[in-house]
Amino acid sequence: GESVGLHLPTLSVQEGDNSIINCAYSNSASDYFIWYKQESGKGPQFIIDIRSNMDKRQGQRVTVLLNKTVKHLSLQIAATQPGDSAVYFCAELFQAGTALIFGKGTTLSVSS
Amino acid sequence: GAVVSQHPSRVICKSGTSVKIECRSLDFQATTMFWYRQFPKQSLMLMATSNEGSKATYEQGVEKDKFLINHASLTLSTLTVTSAHPEDSSFYICSARAGTGSNQPQHFGDGTRLSIL
Repeated sequence: GESVGLHLPTLSVQEGDNSIINCAYSNSASDYFIWYKQESGKGPQFIIDIRSNMDKRQGQRVTVLLNKTVKHLSLQIAATQPGDSAVYFCAELFQAGTALIFGKGTTLSVSS
Repeated sequence: GAVVSQHPSRVICKSGTSVKIECRSLDFQATTMFWYRQFPKQSLMLMATSNEGSKATYEQGVEKDKFLINHASLTLSTLTVTSAHPEDSSFYICSARAGTGSNQPQHFGDGTRLSIL
């Protein structure tokens, strides 16, 4: 069968490694997805987004992959740095005009 | 970029007190504002959606009489936690959007840490 990345509540990596954070979203009708980074005591910070008509989108050091067949989203961070340590959330938009719905977070810890 | 400001950033008060949290969009007009609550080590949970000039829409399980939301202008929404109790202690985060299309991003404030003694 197809391998699907599992959501892990925590991920520990060494500085310089590549990180992969997974998320399962809930609604097959969702057409817009965002990854957020949240540092302690702060609000979510936008990282990268993707629309349902795309499978992959790249930014600076980050890549988002979307697998609509299994409702799975992943965030890849290249050359992870200590400053990347935070909690990462995926969020989905069911339909235009409604609120973003957040998935479970993953705490990324980067050691130098 | 678009900025959403929340005030206060932290509040500590006694049980039974009512607490008001303000959310302002500083450089855009927010047609819609959202209020989320986040308990420690958990995700953001949507509490309510408010459109300027109309009543807020609350998510299931959120008491509208306990969490009063006012969105009287295109740049300000307030959340009042009435007769707060220790179980209301949480991180409250507001978000604002300029329009209704999915092309309009949601901008987030930096949250308000509410601690009820």
